Amino acid sequence: SQQGEEDPQALSIQEGENATMNCSYKTSINNLQWYRQNSGRGLVHLILIRSNEREKHSGRLRVTLDTSKKSSSLLITASRAADTASYFCATAREYGNKLVFGAGTILRVKS
Amino acid sequence: DTEVTQTPKHLVMGMTNKKSLKCEQHMGHRAMYWYKQKAKKPPELMFVYSYEKLSINESVPSRFSPECPNSSLLNLHLHALQPEDSALYLCASSQDRFVTSSPLHFGNGTRLTVT
Repeated sequence: SQQGEEDPQALSIQEGENATMNCSYKTSINNLQWYRQNSGRGLVHLILIRSNEREKHSGRLRVTLDTSKKSSSLLITASRAADTASYFCATAREYGNKLVFGAGTILRVKS
Repeated sequence: DTEVTQTPKHLVMGMTNKKSLKCEQHMGHRAMYWYKQKAKKPPELMFVYSYEKLSINESVPSRFSPECPNSSLLNLHLHALQPEDSALYLCASSQDRFVTSSPLHFGNGTRLTVT
């Protein structure tokens, strides 16, 4: 069963703009991870943020986590056409070894 | 290029066929996973192997049979599949046995079509 829900389902922006994607989840977590998937390919891990962290950066990516609201956001700054992909959040619970993926956001960056 | 290699990339099989999907990683990772992904949907967990032992089976039908011959290899044996089993099958590995500690590394998947 899906743990996370993401919005928007689809996002279309111009190159150079920022893209923000949101993820909400239902149960307590150990960590939340973001992945990117290019069409027809495997998923690539972007960032892992632990439940005791509030914000994390990696290059042009910024992830926030609000455990009181059970939500996270992924910000991609200065987007590029190569950022066009599906983006998934995934949650790992406190116990167990499952990583459960949200529905995903399809991002299209127009050049 | 991904460090998790899956073969074949594409597979078409009839409902009476027996086939196998293969996955290989040489990163020394201790856990390996099978996910199934339908078009425009997120990946869904099927099986988890930890230290070469099956640790999670997400109530997957017995027509899917996983096997982990050693720490680098993961197979998924397919038999008597249905057309609705057509999907992208993704293999992944993680350095630690728990996803609470380390992220997943995915292969590029096998695109399976059942006719």
